[in-house]
Amino acid sequence: EPEVTQTPSHQVTQMGQEVILRCVPISNHLYFYWYRQILGQKVEFLVSFYNNEISEKSEIFDDQFSVERPDGSNFTLKIRSTKLEDSAMYFCASKGDSTSGNTIYFGEGSWLTVV
Amino acid sequence: AQSVTQLGSHVSVSEGALVLLRCNYSSSVPPYLFWYVQYPNQGLQLLLKYTSAATLVKGINGFEAEFKKSETSFHLTKPSAHMSDAAEYFCAVSDRGGTSYGKLTFGQGTILTVHP
Repeated sequence: EPEVTQTPSHQVTQMGQEVILRCVPISNHLYFYWYRQILGQKVEFLVSFYNNEISEKSEIFDDQFSVERPDGSNFTLKIRSTKLEDSAMYFCASKGDSTSGNTIYFGEGSWLTVV
Repeated sequence: AQSVTQLGSHVSVSEGALVLLRCNYSSSVPPYLFWYVQYPNQGLQLLLKYTSAATLVKGINGFEAEFKKSETSFHLTKPSAHMSDAAEYFCAVSDRGGTSYGKLTFGQGTILTVHP
């Protein structure tokens, strides 16, 4: 079964450093997402991406965050200057068009620890 | 705006007992509803989804959920719990396309513990 893959699975970074989390969505999918889950809290929507542009973003997704689909297969989340409160599990997800049932498929997550 | 409330952050059952995880939603438009499961140190796996066909939806691992519009509920059940069902379960809602592009809003999760 096709799946969303994410790298790295774990990353520890110093506060203030830039981090790039990478994702390979399911190949024929059109919609791409990043969610995050701070330890012990609910899964929160960060951003959705469609047709090579951001379609929606939450208030969490401020100027420190950016997304990119550089080569038609990868989908990246960049955090420019990490803060302690950015420590979380970051999930990439993708979805096909409406004929595929509107199911969002999630990757295994990238656990980011900011120290 | 959409929201999801999962009643009970922790549910504990005995092996073989009925599992009932409660989910109530709020949506201004007809929703799609989902249950995801997260095993320790793993990602989110889709258990089942409601997308306007049958109101009783069957998913993987013997789970099912019933969409009740009048009660704005989508409770998850399984007749007989297994030890392997121990995990965290998330209910989520999205609208049917339009401007939200299928964004999911999650509940806070329910941790299911299964005792021998």
